[in-house]
Amino acid sequence: GQQLNQSPQSMFIQEGEDVSMNCTSSSIFNTWLWYKQDPGEGPVLLIALYKAGELTSNGRLTAQFGITRKDSFLNISASIPSDVGIYFCAGPYAGGTSYGKLTFGQGTILTVHP
Amino acid sequence: GAGVSQSPSNKVTEKGKDVELRCDPISGHTALYWYRQSLGQGLEFLIYFQGNSAPDKSGLPSDRFSAERTGGSVSTLTIQRTQQEDSAVYLCASTPRMVNTEAFFGQGTRLTVV
Repeated sequence: GQQLNQSPQSMFIQEGEDVSMNCTSSSIFNTWLWYKQDPGEGPVLLIALYKAGELTSNGRLTAQFGITRKDSFLNISASIPSDVGIYFCAGPYAGGTSYGKLTFGQGTILTVHP
Repeated sequence: GAGVSQSPSNKVTEKGKDVELRCDPISGHTALYWYRQSLGQGLEFLIYFQGNSAPDKSGLPSDRFSAERTGGSVSTLTIQRTQQEDSAVYLCASTPRMVNTEAFFGQGTRLTVV
């Protein structure tokens, strides 16, 4: 099936450092979504990207829709302890559904040391 | 309600027993999705509802899995004769329009089959 490859799988950083993670696909995407999942919770949407080349910010988070439409990047600046969690990229299922069926990457586990 | 609500939060069951997982979507959201998240993995699509109909059941892993939705609102995912490989977090999401990839997730039900 359709695969989204996220990297890195995990990151251990010091508070205050910047973080960068990415997601790639062999298929073209028309939408890229970035979610964060806290322990014991469901994923929460952070940023949605709808146009190739688009750069969107949400506070300390910035995400970009790759120009090839096959990749996306998420950056977190000046990390804080509450940034800890699992970050997922997601996109619409490549089968071309008319509804919001999503394919997810395997996630990047972020740990922030105070 | 204010958000997607799932119950129970945790369920431990013996192998071979049947379980029912409940999802109460955001009021007015017509589309509802079930996903499964195995340990350390991304989310895997199970089934999609539009109103009370399920036009896409392609992600259900076996005929032991079934789901229904009544009144265009609450949905129940039923797993019959549970197996240890069914252990996972089952997440429900809803969206306000049929074509909308910005899904809102519940907190999930963590199912453990012993």
